[in-house]
Amino acid sequence: ETGVTQTPRHLVMGMTNKKSLKCEQHLGHNAMYWYKQSAKKPLELMFVYSLEERVENNSVPSRFSPECPNSSHLFLHLHTLQPEDSALYLCASSQGVGSGYLNTEAFFGQGTRLTVV
Amino acid sequence: RKEVEQDPGPFNVPEGATVAFNCTYSNSASQSFFWYRQDCRKEPKLLMSVYSSGNEDGRFTAQLNRASQYISLLIRDSKLSDSATYLCAVNLKAAGNKLTFGGGTRVLVKP
Repeated sequence: ETGVTQTPRHLVMGMTNKKSLKCEQHLGHNAMYWYKQSAKKPLELMFVYSLEERVENNSVPSRFSPECPNSSHLFLHLHTLQPEDSALYLCASSQGVGSGYLNTEAFFGQGTRLTVV
Repeated sequence: RKEVEQDPGPFNVPEGATVAFNCTYSNSASQSFFWYRQDCRKEPKLLMSVYSSGNEDGRFTAQLNRASQYISLLIRDSKLSDSATYLCAVNLKAAGNKLTFGGGTRVLVKP
């Protein structure tokens, strides 16, 4: 419905596991984002990719590793996470690059609800 | 000072009443402004963009006050289905079109 699809929708992983979150956008956008939303906290921007290059990394721990192979796909690789990393991870895309794009609203996927045990 | 700030609420609103709330932003060079709606355990969905002249979409009116650096959202004739968290988002083009979100304002419409 939103044009941004995230998988899986729910994920439970142990602290020693390695998993990946996937995001795909069908909107022809050129910027993609990972946000984290913990319980009762505001959306926190984690990473921004613009034209497949990482342009923002908001002091995110190295146990989170993003990958953007092309403008339609974004991954978040997870390893040795901590219980406090449990949160809703949201992917978004926007037409964020290029002159003249003033209304660069972002569209979100449905999120992956991650629980680290 | 946070880049984007909102009153977390909750705003308890009788059904049919009008409610309004603001969102302040710290960077005067911010260029684009948006209101999103987020339902419990769901993703944020774009409600409306906020234009310099103010804009209206049905029962929702958004306004921008550049001098005081805030945007507002007004909901008229509140419906029970308007209960949600309303997030404002601000875009600073010079920062690579990064959208920065406020913490959200929770609105509860009651019968």
